[in-house]
Amino acid sequence: EPEVTQTPSHQVTQMGQEVILRCVPISNHLYFYWYRQILGQKVEFLVSFYNNEISEKSEIFDDQFSVERPDGSNFTLKIRSTKLEDSAMYFCASRSGQPNQPQHFGDGTRLSIL
Amino acid sequence: GDSVTQMEGPVTLSEEAFLTINCTYTATGYPSLFWYVQYPGEGLQLLLKATKADDKGSNKGFEATYRKETTSFHLEKGSVQVSDSAVYFCALMNNAGNNRKLIWGLGTSLAVNP
Repeated sequence: EPEVTQTPSHQVTQMGQEVILRCVPISNHLYFYWYRQILGQKVEFLVSFYNNEISEKSEIFDDQFSVERPDGSNFTLKIRSTKLEDSAMYFCASRSGQPNQPQHFGDGTRLSIL
Repeated sequence: GDSVTQMEGPVTLSEEAFLTINCTYTATGYPSLFWYVQYPGEGLQLLLKATKADDKGSNKGFEATYRKETTSFHLEKGSVQVSDSAVYFCALMNNAGNNRKLIWGLGTSLAVNP
C-alpha cells in the first residue's frame, strides 16, 4: 500500500538555524498538509497546499515558515530561524482529490531545538 | 470555529475489558469524522472513519457511530488487547471548501494490562 514518507526521523538543530523537513506524499494525491504536535499536546494544523500554492495556513505558520513542492514529488517545510518552541513532532499528510477521503500521514519528524 | 472534545486519559484497562473513548464535536455543516491511532514511537494511522450521520466506521474490532443528534463519535471495542495500547485521536474534517484540514482532539492514552 502506498504511504507517505518523511525524512529525517529525528533532527537536532541549534536555535537560530534553518531546518528543512522533507516529505514524499502518495504519488496521485493532490492535497498536502503539515501538522505539528508539541510533546503532550494536541496535533495542530500548520498549512495546506494545493495546486502549487498555500490554500490555508494557521496562526502558527508565520513568516519563519515556508513550504515548497520543488519537483512534483517532494513536499518540504522550512523553518528559517528556529526557536526553542519549535521543538515538536512534525507530520506530513496527503489526500487524494476524491470526496470524503482521509488524510494519510507519514511517521513524522521529531525536531529538537537546542 | 470547529472543535473536537475528547475524554481525558490516561485510560488503563485489563485485557478483554470493554473500551469506550468519548468524542464530541462542534462544526458547521456536515463534517467527516475520524479516529486516528498513534502506537508508541510511531506516526498517526487512520483507524476508522464515518462521513455522514448514522454511518458506523469499524476496523480491528473498533467501532464508532456518527451521531448527529448528539454530535458524538465515541470509539468502542468489546475486548481490548495489550497490543491496543496507544494514543487515540478523534478528528473532524469540515467538507466545506477544498482545504479540509483536520481538527483534532487532545488524544486519549490507553494502556492495556495483561
